[in-house]
Amino acid sequence: DGGITQSPKYLFRKEGQNVTLSCEQNLNHDAMYWYRQDPGQGLRLIYYSQIVNDFQKGDIAEGYSVSREKKESFPLTVTSAQKNPTAFYLCASSWLGYNEQFFGPGTRLTVL
Amino acid sequence: AQSVTQLDSQVPVFEEAPVELRCNYSSSVSVYLFWYVQYPNQGLQLLLKYLSGSTLVKGINGFEAEFNKSQTSFHLRKPSVHISDTAEYFCAVSDGKSTFGDGTTLTVKP
Repeated sequence: DGGITQSPKYLFRKEGQNVTLSCEQNLNHDAMYWYRQDPGQGLRLIYYSQIVNDFQKGDIAEGYSVSREKKESFPLTVTSAQKNPTAFYLCASSWLGYNEQFFGPGTRLTVL
Repeated sequence: AQSVTQLDSQVPVFEEAPVELRCNYSSSVSVYLFWYVQYPNQGLQLLLKYLSGSTLVKGINGFEAEFNKSQTSFHLRKPSVHISDTAEYFCAVSDGKSTFGDGTTLTVKP
């Protein structure tokens, strides 16, 4: 089945640690996105990538980093520089120019 | 720059009643419009989309939306809701890059 997967579903981090969230898609989409969702708020764009080995900052990129070494994969690293990382993180993918986005199930990150 | 405003943060409604979730947008260019639904602790799923053509768009689960260019609106409607429609609903606009509204929580009461 084609789709987009995220792992892990739940992640706990101690302050000062970096953690990496996985996102994989087998839909052959060119574009991939990372969003952050806080309670009662909409989706805020962290990073996006339209092609392998290239990515752009979104609205809230500070304290996050990404890589796009393969078309299928777009991992997100939450660094210790992110002061308030506890949130629900959503990965999405789409074809270029036609921007219906397909979302993964999300990763809930909690900082202890 | 484009923006999306969902006019109601919470909409409570009784089962089998009609519902309308309101969405206004602004953009300087032609856009695509979308409604997504999110159930608790899950990702978003596409309900329906407007790309071009007929301004009345039908989606899954009995939802429909009407694109009104003069009022820059894309309101979501359902004539009779079910308990299972309780969820968060997001309106989104795209000119190649998507912008999402803050969401409307629909709560269907028995």
